[in-house]
Amino acid sequence: DAGVIQSPRHEVTEMGQEVTLRCKPISGHNSLFWYRQTMMRGLELLIYFNNNVPIDDSGMPEDRFSAKMPNASFSTLKIQPSEPRDSAVYFCASKRRGTQYFGPGTRLLVL
Amino acid sequence: GQQVMQIPQYQHVQEGEDFTTYCNSSTTLSNIQWYKQRPGGHPVFLIQLVKSGEVKKQKRLTFQFGEAKKNSSLHITATQTTDVGTYFCAGPGRGSTLGRLYFGRGTQLTVWP
Repeated sequence: DAGVIQSPRHEVTEMGQEVTLRCKPISGHNSLFWYRQTMMRGLELLIYFNNNVPIDDSGMPEDRFSAKMPNASFSTLKIQPSEPRDSAVYFCASKRRGTQYFGPGTRLLVL
Repeated sequence: GQQVMQIPQYQHVQEGEDFTTYCNSSTTLSNIQWYKQRPGGHPVFLIQLVKSGEVKKQKRLTFQFGEAKKNSSLHITATQTTDVGTYFCAGPGRGSTLGRLYFGRGTQLTVWP
């Protein structure tokens, strides 16, 4: 089993640019979660999907953030326009029987 | 809203010393999960406790779930440098938030050789 796959692993961009993070969940997992981790705020849930449907996006910081899950094997988190305060590690996780399996994360730096 | 709190936030120990982290939930939990994140890594599932008063062991790690199912602890006996990392507890939501986990802030463990 390949585990949760995220790309890119690292992203450096300039303020104002669009950033797209990608996630491929573990096959057969029907829930997908996007988290953001910073020293200041810890691990924050941004949004999660059940069977490709967004269930709770209350953690999405503002309208600059959007997430999609067009099918069971792919999800994107988009930030447009990006700001320096968006710099963080973004994790995707998929769930089976209540246990979440995290991807390796995308380390985003917005200059 | 539902909250999960962990203490301490940081713990520095000498190799061979014991370590304990505590987790408290604002609500009764159906289960509690523990995850470990190595420096530069991602959270990895360690264990799930379901029953009131449950105690589970994984080698030098002992996990407890409180009788009221609102608190939990992780105890590591005779720490080793391989134990370094951040330990998170997490509890599931209820009702409309049943599908998600509420994570504590984590306890960052440093082990000095």
